[in-house]
Amino acid sequence: SYELTQPLSVSVALGQTARLTCGGDNLENKHVHWYQQKPGQAPVLVIYRDINRPSGIPERFSGSNSGNTATLTISRAQAGDEADYLCQVWDSSTTWVVFGGGTKLTVL
Amino acid sequence: QVQLQESGPGLVKPPETLSLTCTVSGYSISSGYYWGWFRQAPGKGLEWIGSVYYTGDVYDNPSLRNRVTILIDTSRNQFSLEMGSLTAADTAVYYCARDLRGYGGYIDYWGRGTLVNVSS
Repeated sequence: SYELTQPLSVSVALGQTARLTCGGDNLENKHVHWYQQKPGQAPVLVIYRDINRPSGIPERFSGSNSGNTATLTISRAQAGDEADYLCQVWDSSTTWVVFGGGTKLTVL
Repeated sequence: QVQLQESGPGLVKPPETLSLTCTVSGYSISSGYYWGWFRQAPGKGLEWIGSVYYTGDVYDNPSLRNRVTILIDTSRNQFSLEMGSLTAADTAVYYCARDLRGYGGYIDYWGRGTLVNVSS
């Protein structure tokens, strides 16, 4: 089965840029999606199909996908960005929905 | 605005069967898209359980397949999850959501989730 790997935690200083990674075999051949999840809340889609932002998501959130790594970049990090961030793909060969384990972002 | 709401018991005894319903508003599920169930055990990551199309076609997680039934009722704009042979390991927050697997495979709308505790 396909697996996605995320670092457990990332820290960023207030106002700086955070880069959260998601690794998978030949990941660039898949569409990667990112979700923000705050404690006690449902996930919120922040990036879909590698680079697209849903309406209402700030431009500070951007995505990329190349080789075996997808990256969620959060510019000018704010205290309100503290959350778990999960990457996800749909594996068309198996039809399964696959999530990474999630990265906890701390804004210092 | 599409909204989803899970409903069902918060406590289930092992090895009983869990039954959850998701009610969709703001969109007719017979118009298309897949509708999925997910869960998140305390302190753990998200796990996909399965997704159903308005025709009744189902894709599911093979690790849970033998215990899971997912049905759709377009007349009520609802879909449901049944999971049998429950153990404490099934304790989790269960979410229903819209699954855009035909459009890159992302999940755009989520319910708020319902905590299910499996305990005797």
